Amino acid sequence: RKEVEQDPGPFNVPEGATVAFNCTYSNSASQSFFWYRQDCRKEPKLLMSVYSSGNEDGRFTAQLNRASQYISLLIRDSKLSDSATYLCVVKTAGTYKYIFGTGTRLKVLA
Amino acid sequence: SAVISQKPSRDICQRGTSLTIQCQVDSQVTMMFWYRQQPGQSLTLIATANQGSEATYESGFVIDKFPISRPNLTFSTLTVSNLSPEDSSIYLCSVDEGTEKLFFGSGTQLSVL
Repeated sequence: RKEVEQDPGPFNVPEGATVAFNCTYSNSASQSFFWYRQDCRKEPKLLMSVYSSGNEDGRFTAQLNRASQYISLLIRDSKLSDSATYLCVVKTAGTYKYIFGTGTRLKVLA
Repeated sequence: SAVISQKPSRDICQRGTSLTIQCQVDSQVTMMFWYRQQPGQSLTLIATANQGSEATYESGFVIDKFPISRPNLTFSTLTVSNLSPEDSSIYLCSVDEGTEKLFFGSGTQLSVL
């Protein structure tokens, strides 16, 4: 079983739609959680960290469920510019290693 | 946030040759990493580049194939040796400034013929 699992998609949604991605992780000792965004042929960039209490940044909301070992990303009012691959990233306490999921592709259609 | 300059951005190499990738950071950072991203795959950590000592390699990666240098806190190189078509991939350097935020170079796309 992979340490971090994501549905690869693609998720094709119309502009203005709300879309949600889930990510599951296998290591219960995981302590830090992130969503990164990767555009085609570009490097990944941090979208947001995921806190236990959940957090929101504009149209983006991230949540963590430690009991079920998954994190989610909700995008409201999708824009064409949101089209990208969203990478779920997990880090275990006391380590320097970031474990990346394979990513979920999102295509927002006009 | 750290600004990372990685080069070359792409290269096409012959089997059996080597490619050295450079990563320059605009500030001193302790943690610097090298990742590989194969087509349609996730990022896989190759090694952590340690300043003044040998790199720490992840399972499946060895120093003979992926020698790494880290002469100071702002610079590192990754060499991919004895190239084969299976090494065709994107290679990324990244740094963690200690704020649990990874910053990446723009990547090197390697194609091996």
